[in-house]
Amino acid sequence: AQSVAQPEDQVNVAEGNPLTVKCTYSVSGNPYLFWYVQYPNRGLQFLLKYITGDNLVKGSYGFEAEFNKSQTSFHLKKPSALVSDSALYFCAVRAYSGTYKYIFGTGTRLKVLA
Amino acid sequence: NAGVTQTPKFQVLKTGQSMTLQCAQDMNHNSMYWYRQDPGMGLRLIYYSASEGTTDKGEVPNGYNVSRLNKREFSLRLESAAPSQTSVYFCASIGRGSEQPQHFGDGTRLSIL
Repeated sequence: AQSVAQPEDQVNVAEGNPLTVKCTYSVSGNPYLFWYVQYPNRGLQFLLKYITGDNLVKGSYGFEAEFNKSQTSFHLKKPSALVSDSALYFCAVRAYSGTYKYIFGTGTRLKVLA
Repeated sequence: NAGVTQTPKFQVLKTGQSMTLQCAQDMNHNSMYWYRQDPGMGLRLIYYSASEGTTDKGEVPNGYNVSRLNKREFSLRLESAAPSQTSVYFCASIGRGSEQPQHFGDGTRLSIL
């Protein structure tokens, strides 16, 4: 079955420290992977994607993600966290079963402490 | 720069009432999606429309119907609302090209009493 797992419901990090939000996936074929961020009472906003090429992908707001094919992971990272990064983060993978659909993880709440 | 617009933003219904959630996008996107978001469950696909004139069931279609009125608009209807349908509903669209990200509206927060 095609799936996405975000093993941590919440991640706490001190402002200025590096952050990592984890994502693993299971999909047939080459994965198209996405990270989205959701602020309170808003829809999901696109951060970055991996389609092919360099395993380190850079995105919006200083975020980056590392694709690891052998570990089927796509972890979101940022070298120095800001309080304003506090939000809900979703990993998603594109899956194909007759047509393209997007499978989302359950989300990880990031809390950056001042 | 509207993007994806959902109406209403909030709604409270009584069990058994019907309601239509509206979604419109102004990006000339072909594909549109309806999701529901529940705590601890992420986003679950209710219905989607790969192109104008077509609709298909997603993961959790029971109790819902959809209409792709034209390329811009994709509505979600609850014929007889149940408390289990209390949720936040998101509409999304995607442009041509399999590598494109989805664009989301800001959601409709629906409570069924």
